[in-house]
Order: sequence, then structure tokens, then C-alpha cells
Amino acid sequence: QVQLQESGPGLVKPSETLSLTCTVSGGSISSYYWSWIRQPPGKELEWIGYVYYSGSTNYNPSLKSRVTISVDTSKNQFSLDLTSVTAADTAVYYCARGRSGSYHSPFDYWGQGTLVTVSS
Amino acid sequence: EIVLTQSPGTLSLSPGERATLSCRASQSVSGSYLAWYQQKPGQAPRLLIYGASSRATGIPDRFSGSGSGTDFTLTISRLEPEDLAVYYCQQYGTSPWTFGQGTKVEIK
Repeated sequence: QVQLQESGPGLVKPSETLSLTCTVSGGSISSYYWSWIRQPPGKELEWIGYVYYSGSTNYNPSLKSRVTISVDTSKNQFSLDLTSVTAADTAVYYCARGRSGSYHSPFDYWGQGTLVTVSS
Repeated sequence: EIVLTQSPGTLSLSPGERATLSCRASQSVSGSYLAWYQQKPGQAPRLLIYGASSRATGIPDRFSGSGSGTDFTLTISRLEPEDLAVYYCQQYGTSPWTFGQGTKVEIK
């Protein structure tokens, strides 16, 4: 059974960088697309971007200038960096897997989510 | 980007009743790459339907999806108390992938 677990600081100061890591267990990170998705409290889901196991990426244009997603296949992990954060970036951040090795894949496995609050 | 609009915002029904949830896209969803998720309070979303009408692994057959182009529907044929949740549609045909704003299903 594939499991995903997010880790990282729960509190980030405004203008700093939010950094999260997702550790994949129970399966290989190879041959799949891996995404970050966030959900502000009481609001809808927003796709942030994905990284393919090969390292290629695709980002939501609304966040593209501030986002970097990377993969470390040796550790079965992928990571999110979001720079210059503001209170609007406060959200539960989820990591998720694309269901198949295809570019067009829904998300079949999700982490439990981690709340990141941006505040001084 | 493709905007997904879900209706109604809230659906209040009794156990055993049929629930019909709508998802309308601002432009055609290519390849019918449309998914439905169930999110219970305090939990991550769970994939129910993909490809507009295919049930994900382990999903009961009372959940079904239909539609194409810009209009999609999730039907729960016989509501059970554990179906209390917010349901989201998502398109993954045209980047950026986008989600609807959700429909909350309440059980009377």
C-alpha cells in the first residue's frame, strides 16, 4: 500500500520560503507524476504543480514565479519550495500521486496534509 | 484556465435518497479527463471517479459518474450516513489542473 507523508515547518514568517518534503513509502517514486496541492482553511483545492520522477516539472501559472518542485529518487522523496510567502499562502498542503504514469492522471494517493501558517 | 462550477453548494438529503451533483466546465474538458473526490472533515480527498465515469479501486457501486464536454454529474444512488462529505470535481485534461469549489452533502 503506497503511503505519502508530508513534513516541514508548520509556521513560516512572511517573505520567507516555505519548504516541505513528501516521503513515499510502500512503492517506488519511479514512473509516476507527483504533485503538491493546497487548501486554504475552509476553501477549495488548488493544484500547485507536479514533478515527474525524471525531474521534469509543470507549475500552476498563478504560482510559477515562486514555486520549485524537485525529486530525489534515491530517498523516494519530492519537495516543494515556495518563496516570498504571505498570509494568503496559509493552507493545508497535500502531496499526491498521479494515478498512472500518464501526464493525464487524477490523484489516487494523498498524504494526510500538513497545515502551514504564515505569520510573524 | 478551465473554471469548474459545482452545484448545488449544499445538498441535504435523507439516507436512502439519491444525490445528484453537477460540475460544469468553462470550456470542454479534453479526453473526459474529469475526476470526482470525496473529502470528509479533517481528511485528505479520496478519489471516487476518474475519466468521468470509471470508479476508482474500492469505491462502492452506488457512486457513479457521467457526462462529457462541459457537463458532468456524480450520482450517489442510495445515500448512507457515511457519505457526509464535501465532493469536488477536478479536470486534468488541460494544464493547470483545476478543482471545483465543492458540493457539501448533508445527511438529514
